[in-house]
Amino acid sequence: DIVMTQTPLSLSVTPGQPASISCKSSQSLLRSDGKTYLYWYLQKPGQSPQLLIHEVSSRFSGVPDRFSGSGSGTDFTLKISRVEADDVGVYFCMQGIDVPFTFGGGTKVEIK
Amino acid sequence: QVQLVESGGGVVQPGGSLRLSCAASGFTFINYVIHWVRQAPGKGPEWVAVTSPDETIKFYADSVKGRFTISRDNSKNTLFLQMNSLREEDTALYYCARDPVAARPDYFDFWGQGTLVTVSS
Repeated sequence: DIVMTQTPLSLSVTPGQPASISCKSSQSLLRSDGKTYLYWYLQKPGQSPQLLIHEVSSRFSGVPDRFSGSGSGTDFTLKISRVEADDVGVYFCMQGIDVPFTFGGGTKVEIK
Repeated sequence: QVQLVESGGGVVQPGGSLRLSCAASGFTFINYVIHWVRQAPGKGPEWVAVTSPDETIKFYADSVKGRFTISRDNSKNTLFLQMNSLREEDTALYYCARDPVAARPDYFDFWGQGTLVTVSS
């Protein structure tokens, strides 16, 4: 199984300041079709996970442009340019290149 | 809008069985791959199983293979998860999740609210 490793475990961010989360996979998520199967989800308190980013850097419908994804191969980053109170929750990266799909351990983001 | 509503969770003893359902609406169910994903209390999500629209392709996590069966009734826009030989480590909130890619399992764009399964003696 592909192991997804996220850092840091938690972040405490002042509103308006940036935040960055790293995700590393144990093998490349680049497939022969040219797509990279890396996704980011946010689970707000008491809610189901919601899709933020698909294929490394494409924002899902309705996701604010302060969220951006980057990376390639095995190293990926989610950035929030200016954190808002509504961004609190746990962020997970996930690989979809092969079953079983696997998730990172999560990064808890809170507001200072 | 896309809606996925899970039901069928509850408390069951180890070794027991449960059948979960996921009622879909707001999209053409027969066109989509659908997954089950679970989340144990205080833990991250864990992918469980997936079925293609015509049920010809099914995959399972090793932790549930041989005990759980995913199926669907496209005429009723409903997904199922038959869970047998339940173990305490199966305790979790079980979500169904839609996959936007029709051809193969890819990722989840919409999740339901989940149904809680507790396995305890």
